[in-house]
Amino acid sequence: DIVLTQSPVTLSLSPGDSATLSCRASQSVYNYFAWYQKKPGQAPRLLIYDASNRATGIPARFSGSGSGTDFTLTISSLEPEDFAVYYCQHRNNWPPMYGFGQGTKLEVK
Amino acid sequence: GQLVQSGAVVERPGASVKVSCKASGYNFTLYYLHWVRQAPGQGLEWMGVINPISRAANYAQRFQNRLTVTRDASTSTFYMALNSLTSDDTAMYYCASVLMTSDIWGQGTLVSVSS
Repeated sequence: DIVLTQSPVTLSLSPGDSATLSCRASQSVYNYFAWYQKKPGQAPRLLIYDASNRATGIPARFSGSGSGTDFTLTISSLEPEDFAVYYCQHRNNWPPMYGFGQGTKLEVK
Repeated sequence: GQLVQSGAVVERPGASVKVSCKASGYNFTLYYLHWVRQAPGQGLEWMGVINPISRAANYAQRFQNRLTVTRDASTSTFYMALNSLTSDDTAMYYCASVLMTSDIWGQGTLVSVSS
């Protein structure tokens, strides 16, 4: 199974700061990769798919990069509503087999 | 489009649970339907997926022997059945349809396992 390792575990920043979250895969996942935001009491929200494409309705301050085994989610100029837990996800399409990283908690400093 | 899941349930250890997920407002046959869970204080865990046309399913290795994901042949309803429940299965369970540029998620179903 592919293992995704996210870093850091917790990131403490202030509104207006820029955030950089990382995710490393145990083997290449090419660009079959996504980022999600999760808030308490809400379903996960897709932010980025195919490693670098913003999902429908996602603000431009969210951007994704990377391919192969190393991926980055950047959030420029944090808004108060951006403080949440972020998960990376690999998406193997044949056979369909997905998996999540353990999450990075973005908290207010 | 939307996915509407069945309500919260409480089950005994060793029992089985079946959660439903009804799709509406979009062509659900075009997109795989996934199941994801989140235990209290834990992260997201991908469980399995079903092809809505062929009804072929794939499961995460740790659920291979006790998870079954199905689709009702005559309706737009999907099911997730998990057997041999333990307290570790207490979690919020979500269904999700992965579209091309977005996802549709159900509201979640809380499954509590307690004696």
